[in-house]
Amino acid sequence: GDSVTQMEGPVTLSEEAFLTINCTYTATGYPSLFWYVQYPGEGLQLLLKATKADDKGSNKGFEATYRKETTSFHLEKGSVQVSDSAVYFCALPNAGGTSYGKLTFGQGTILTVHP
Amino acid sequence: GAGVSQSPSNKVTEKGKDVELRCDPISGHTALYWYRQSLGQGLEFLIYFQGNSAPDKSGLPSDRFSAERTGGSVSTLTIQRTQQEDSAVYLCASSLYRGRSTNEKLFFGSGTQLSVL
Repeated sequence: GDSVTQMEGPVTLSEEAFLTINCTYTATGYPSLFWYVQYPGEGLQLLLKATKADDKGSNKGFEATYRKETTSFHLEKGSVQVSDSAVYFCALPNAGGTSYGKLTFGQGTILTVHP
Repeated sequence: GAGVSQSPSNKVTEKGKDVELRCDPISGHTALYWYRQSLGQGLEFLIYFQGNSAPDKSGLPSDRFSAERTGGSVSTLTIQRTQQEDSAVYLCASSLYRGRSTNEKLFFGSGTQLSVL
C-alpha cells in the first residue's frame, strides 16, 4: 500500500539556519503530495502542496519540489525563525480512497528553532 | 466560530467506560474526517463523512468505535468499553469539497486528548 517515510526528528536549529526535512513516498501512480504543519496547541494546517511531477509548492518561505525520479518531496526553508517551531507532516492521498481528504501521513518531524 | 471546534479538549476515563467526542466543523463544509494521533502509530485515518453518510469507515479499528453525523454538521465519535490502547489525540477535520479533488484542503481542529486509565 501507499506509504510515506519521513525524516526522523527532532530537529533543532538556530534562527536563520537552513532547514531540510526529508520525505519519500511509495504510491500507485502520481498522487498529489502535501506538507501539513502543527503549531503548539493548534490543529494541523496545510502548509503547501504539489499536484504533479516537477511542481514546486511554496508558502511562508517554505518550498518542496515533487520529484518523481526519486519519489521525494523534501521540505526546505532558507532561513528559519523561532515561530517555525512546530511538527511537520508529509502526506499523500490514500490510493483508491473516496476522497482526497483520506490521507496517509508520515510520522512527523518536530522542529525546534532557538534564538 | 471560524474554525473546526472539538470538545472536550481533554478527557480522562477509566478502562471499560464509554466516551463521546464531539466535532463541530466549519459551517458549510460537507466533508468531515476523523483521525487518530498516537505515539506508536502516528496519524491514522478513521472515518470519512460526506453529508450525513459515511462512504468510508475503513479506518475504524474495532467495532467498539462508531461515529455519526447529523444535519450535515456536528459529528460524534463514540468509543465503547475503552481500553488503554485507545489513549490518543482524536482529530477532526472538515473540507468544502465532494469526492476526489486535488483542490481539497482539510481544516483540522485542535483535537481531543483521550487518556484511558
